[in-house]
Parts: sequence; C-alpha cells; structure tokens
Amino acid sequence: NAGVMQNPRHLVRRRGQEARLRCSPMKGHSHVYWYRQLPEEGLKFMVYLQKENIIDESGMPKERFSAEFPKEGPSILRIQQVVRGDSAAYFCASSPRVGGLVTDTQYFGPGTRLTVL
Amino acid sequence: QKEVEQDPGPLSVPEGAIVSLNCTYSNSAFQYFMWYRQYSRKGPELLMYTYSSGNKEDGRFTAQVDKSSKYISLFIRDSQPSDSATYLCAMRSGANSKLTFGKGITLSVRP
Repeated sequence: NAGVMQNPRHLVRRRGQEARLRCSPMKGHSHVYWYRQLPEEGLKFMVYLQKENIIDESGMPKERFSAEFPKEGPSILRIQQVVRGDSAAYFCASSPRVGGLVTDTQYFGPGTRLTVL
Repeated sequence: QKEVEQDPGPLSVPEGAIVSLNCTYSNSAFQYFMWYRQYSRKGPELLMYTYSSGNKEDGRFTAQVDKSSKYISLFIRDSQPSDSATYLCAMRSGANSKLTFGKGITLSVRP
C-alpha cells in the first residue's frame, strides 16, 4: 500500500512564476491537508480538502494561493506569482475520514521543497 | 501566547540515555495528541497518538498527557543513534481536523 505521494520533490521557480504542487493521498483516503514548513519554524496548517470541496482554508494566505482536490486526480496546491518568502517545504497529509479515531490520523508525504530565486 | 509551545533545542544525549521531550498548550479544546518524528529532509512520521490523560507505552516510547496542566511529554528509553531526528508534538480538537504543531526539537544521540 503506497503512502502519500508528492511531486515534484524539489521545485525551483523565479520570482513571479507559478508553482504547482501535487499530492496523491493514500489509497482509501478521501481527506487531504496541506501544511507549510518554513526554515526554523514548525509545520503550519494551510488548507483541508475533501473531493471537490474545500472544508477549511483558514491557514491559506489570502492572495496568490489556491488549492483543489478534483473528483479525479491528485490534489493541487497552486502558488501564483511566487516571491522569495514562499520558499519552504510543503507537506501534504491524508486521512481516511474526520473524527477522533486512531485510524483518522494524518499520514504525511515526503514534501515538496520549493525554492524561489 | 502561541497555542503550542515546545521546549527549544537542540538536545544532545549519549546512547542509552532516557530522553524527555515536552510541550505545553493553551487551547482547552485540544483533545487528541500526537508525536511525529521527522528525519532530515523527510516527511513527518507518526510515532504516538493519545487522546486521554495518562500514559501510553509503545516499545521504548512512552507518551504522557496531563490535560489538567495542558502538558504532554514523550519519553524515549535506551535511546539509539537512529533516534536522532526532529520530534514534533501535534494536537487537534475533536471538531476540527487541522493539526497544530509545536516548533519541533532536534535530538542527537551520540554513539
């Protein structure tokens, strides 16, 4: 059973370009979460999605950032007009459902390391 | 005040030592508590999961939760060089699935 997959693992963009980060959840998982880890900082929640729905985007910057989880295919985190401050590791996590059970915990992918030149 | 505070590091111990890692939190709504281990340039890996006050043991690892004091701990017995990693505490409320993390502490176990 493959784990959470993220690609690309490393992404280099120049200021002003767009960055697209992809996440395929574990098989059987229908909930996807995106987190950002800045240098010397802990992981910060960005957005929580189910198929075709954004459930909680309270951690998303108001501008330039968007996320989707279509009916078919991976979840996409999109950053438009990237700036140097967007350089970070972006992690995706998935869980089978919402709730308090142990099986509902979040399993993380290996991350995409974005570098903005 | 941050919602989750984690003891700052880094922490260096000799092989075989008992390691104690601690987090405090301010949000009374947090009900579920986790410890993740993150090796350099890898994704976080779930280590322990608890939801009630008390101790939970798994091999060399013990997670402790004190909800009255809003304090959680992770103990590592007989520490090994392979335990060298960054340890992140994380927690969430029952109604909201997003995880709130501590800043993480980097542990180094010297052979």
